[in-house]
Amino acid sequence: QKEVEQDPGPLSVPEGAIVSLNCTYSNSAFQYFMWYRQYSRKGPELLMYTYSSGNKEDGRFTAQVDKSSKYISLFIRDSQPSDSATYLCAMSGITGANSKLTFGKGITLSVRP
Amino acid sequence: EPEVTQTPSHQVTQMGQEVILRCVPISNHLYFYWYRQILGQKVEFLVSFYNNEISEKSEIFDDQFSVERPDGSNFTLKIRSTKLEDSAMYFCASSSTGQGGGYTFGSGTRLTVV
Repeated sequence: QKEVEQDPGPLSVPEGAIVSLNCTYSNSAFQYFMWYRQYSRKGPELLMYTYSSGNKEDGRFTAQVDKSSKYISLFIRDSQPSDSATYLCAMSGITGANSKLTFGKGITLSVRP
Repeated sequence: EPEVTQTPSHQVTQMGQEVILRCVPISNHLYFYWYRQILGQKVEFLVSFYNNEISEKSEIFDDQFSVERPDGSNFTLKIRSTKLEDSAMYFCASSSTGQGGGYTFGSGTRLTVV
């Protein structure tokens, strides 16, 4: 089983739709859960991060972590064409070998005007 | 907003040549990293660096790779003898905490080995 698996894409939605992006993981040591946005040939840009379980909201974005199911989600409300990008989930533990970031493969989102 | 700066943005090199990728991390950050992303694949961890030494490295980071912080501001990745499969985007990152959401990534260097 891969350490981090992300729903395959691409994903195309109309403007204004609610988008749900998901990742599963297998490493119980992961404690930090991040969502990055990446544009073509650019570096990952941090959108949100959560420590341990729970929800976090920032404007139109909500991140959810369910450690019991080893499942994380990013919801985008009222999606805009400017949200079109590749979204990467990433996770890490606290110390040692687990403190590096382990990424999902990414999903490319296209929001149609 | 503070940035991680990487140079060059694109480098083309011949197989077997040495390349040095350069990064200027955020000035008050203490943890430094290199990641790479082969086209169409995941972003992969290469190496982490703290207190002037490597703290963690992946299987990818073999003897062909080395890192250095030569002058207290730059952080470099050297590939001694490049192979075709080293072609990828290389991202430098820095962090003040060494944990989770504290990373800032640079825009990357696209390395093409021909």
